Order: sequence, then structure tokens, then C-alpha cells
Amino acid sequence: DVKVTQSSRYLVKRTGEKVFLECVQDMDHENMFWYRQDPGLGLRLIYFSYDVKMKEKGDIPEGYSVSREKKERFSLILESASTNQTSMYLCASGHSEDGYTFGSGTRLTVV
Amino acid sequence: AQKITQTQPGMFVQEKEAVTLDCTYDTSDPSYGLFWYKQPSSGEMIFLIYQGSYDQQNATEGRYSLNFQKARKSANLVISASQLGDSAMYFCAMREGPKGTYKYIFGTGTRLKVLA
Repeated sequence: DVKVTQSSRYLVKRTGEKVFLECVQDMDHENMFWYRQDPGLGLRLIYFSYDVKMKEKGDIPEGYSVSREKKERFSLILESASTNQTSMYLCASGHSEDGYTFGSGTRLTVV
Repeated sequence: AQKITQTQPGMFVQEKEAVTLDCTYDTSDPSYGLFWYKQPSSGEMIFLIYQGSYDQQNATEGRYSLNFQKARKSANLVISASQLGDSAMYFCAMREGPKGTYKYIFGTGTRLKVLA
């Protein structure tokens, strides 16, 4: 089975801190994605990547950046965390047209 | 404009009965894919079923079937013989974009509660 691993299940950070959310997949997938999930808004795409060192903005990239230095790892960076970035963050990975695999999510609270 | 619309924020169904979760979509691409995912309270997203835009038959996976009506741009999920373990959040999603550079757009979800 494809494994997509997110480094933290729960995270509490202070306003203004730089936050790194890590995602690692073990199936040599080219495509990786970061979503945030909020009640009533569903999943919204933040950034995605089709290859190493490539990145594309999703629908809500403001306040975020990403890094893909190795194929298996896709990091989401909050340069200066704010309270409105409190959310569930989901990483996904895939290379075929019939869906992809999600990590178990990171619930981030910014205080 | 919403590309994936799920109009039912919450649904109740009696155990052992069937339930339909609605999903409509909007795209001008001739080639696309439609998906349903289940998210239990634990938070993980579980793939349930997939329908390609060129598939002639409706997709089925065990107790799940996808009622695909292309002209109406709807892709409703039907769960037969509901079980208590089906209580979860359900998301409809659409794959769009050229081959190799896909991205997936999600709806806002429907919370299903199965009653004993």
C-alpha cells in the first residue's frame, strides 16, 4: 500500500512563528498536493507539485510556500503563522488518473 | 464559481436502508474523473469509488455505486444497506487538467449519520 506520512498529527504554534509541515510518500509519485480542510468549506488546494523543484499555486496560496527538494518529500511552510491558518492540513500523493492517497492530516492550532 | 457542489450539509439514514448523497459538477473539459472519499471522525480520507467521464457504465464498489448522469453533470453516491460504520463525512471530487498535471477539486462535503 502507498504510504503518505505527515510528520505531526497535532501541532500548536504561536502567531508569527515559522511553521514547517512535512509530508513524505514512499511510492515514487511525481504529484504531491497540500490541502487545508475547514468546516463548511471542504478541502481547498494550497499548493501542488508535479516534480522535484516544481511547484504550482492552488486556490489559496497566500501566506504559504512549499518546498520539493526530493521526490518523496513535499513541505508546506507558513512563513509567519497567523490565527486564520488554524486548520486541518492534508497532504496527498499520486501519479495516476484514478485518485490519490492522503496522509492522516495535521491539525494545526495557531495561538 | 463552484466546480463541485454538494448541497446536503448533513443527512440521516436508518441502518440497513439505502441513501443517496448528491454531487453536481461543472467543467468544460471532455475528459475528467469523479471521485468519492469518506472521512471518518479519525480524519483519514478513504477513497471509495471512481467514475471516468468516458465510462459507459456506472461505477460500483461493493455497497457503493455512483449514479453518473453526464448530461445533468451529476455524480451521486448511493450507499446500499447502510451500516453504523458508514457514519462519516463524504466528499465528492473532480479531477481536472491535462494528463500528468492533474489536480483535484473537492466539494464541501456531506456529513452522514446512520441511525440504529
